Amino acid sequence: DIQMTQSPSTLSASVGDRVTITCRASQSISSWLAWYQQKPGKAPKLLIYKASTLESGVPSRFSGSGSGTEFTLTISSLQPDDFATYYCQQYNSVFGPGTKVDIK
Amino acid sequence: QVQLQESGPGLVKPSETLSLTCTVSGGSIRHYYWSWIRQPPGKGLEWIGYIYYTGSTNDNPSLKSRVTISVDTSKNQFSLKLSSVTAADTAVYYCARDFRDRSSWYGMDVWGQGTTVTVSS
Repeated sequence: DIQMTQSPSTLSASVGDRVTITCRASQSISSWLAWYQQKPGKAPKLLIYKASTLESGVPSRFSGSGSGTEFTLTISSLQPDDFATYYCQQYNSVFGPGTKVDIK
Repeated sequence: QVQLQESGPGLVKPSETLSLTCTVSGGSIRHYYWSWIRQPPGKGLEWIGYIYYTGSTNDNPSLKSRVTISVDTSKNQFSLKLSSVTAADTAVYYCARDFRDRSSWYGMDVWGQGTTVTVSS
């Protein structure tokens, strides 16, 4: 089974910061990776699929990159609405453990 | 615009079977895959399984064959049964559209709001 890890587990940042979250797969998953944002008490929201394709309606400050076993989610300029937990997921449906982005 | 709504008992006794239904509105259940995901209190997301509208399924081996997922295309619904539940199965349960085809995967693009299920006597 392919396992997913994320780093860091928690990230403290300020509005306007550039933020990068890393997701690693235990074996190659090509570009079959998605990123989700989840706020407390809400369902996850799809941000990016196929590693780098932005879901419709998602702000362009979010971007994804990577292939094989290492992937990144970047928020170019953190906004107040972006404080949340972010999960990666691979095509066989396994989720990463999540990265919480909180206010520094 | 497709919307999903989970329904079912919020309290289940230990050793019994948890049963939930997801109703798809605003679109057809046909030609898509549909997933169940859960989230224990304060923890991350765990994929439970998915079903194609034709009835073919795939589920998480870690749940040790306790999972049954079914679909009713006439009602535009799909369902989850999780047998022999324990307190560890207490979670928010979500249904979602798992957008994939034979050659590509596009992520889970539509989610229900989630329903809380507590396992307790």
